[in-house]
Amino acid sequence: RKEVEQDPGPFNVPEGATVAFNCTYSNSASQSFFWYRQDCRKEPKLLMSVYSSGNEDGRFTAQLNRASQYISLLIRDSKLSDSATYLCVARGYNFNKFYFGSGTKLNVKP
Amino acid sequence: EAQVTQNPRYLITVTGKKLTVTCSQNMNHEYMSWYRQDPGLGLRQIYYSMNVEVTDKGDVPEGYKVSRKEKRNFPLILESPSPNQTSLYFCASSLAGFGTDTQYFGPGTRLTVL
Repeated sequence: RKEVEQDPGPFNVPEGATVAFNCTYSNSASQSFFWYRQDCRKEPKLLMSVYSSGNEDGRFTAQLNRASQYISLLIRDSKLSDSATYLCVARGYNFNKFYFGSGTKLNVKP
Repeated sequence: EAQVTQNPRYLITVTGKKLTVTCSQNMNHEYMSWYRQDPGLGLRQIYYSMNVEVTDKGDVPEGYKVSRKEKRNFPLILESPSPNQTSLYFCASSLAGFGTDTQYFGPGTRLTVL
């Protein structure tokens, strides 16, 4: 089993929709968590870190559920520019190791 | 401008011909890492370095070598490339590798081994 697993999608949503992605993680990949965004085979860029109490950044909300070992990303009021692949990332118990999910593709349509 | 640079950006080579992909960062970051990205598998960590002369294996280190002689540079060496090393490679750096440090990625190197 992979340390971090995501639904690959694609999620096809209209502009203005709310969309949510989940990501599950294993025990070995459970120190800290992040969501990265990747545009069409370009370099990943940090979208947001995920804190235990949950956190929000504008239209984006991240949640962590340690009991069920998943993290989520909620995007409200989707924009065309949100179309990208969203990567779930977990840091392992060895703080220097990172585990990436294979990504969830989002297509926001007019 | 704060950045991570990689060279070359694209490389087509043949099996067995040694190659080096360079990575350099200008942010005085201690932590650097190499990843490969393959369809359906996501990014997988090859090697990482916590500081000068300190490196360790990631999840997929076979067939790769690294060195960290200076803080800013972290080259990836393929001594005898094989077709299964055809992939998109990313170098990344972060301040100290702890907590919620942001990793900054280079633009990627697309390698094809024939």
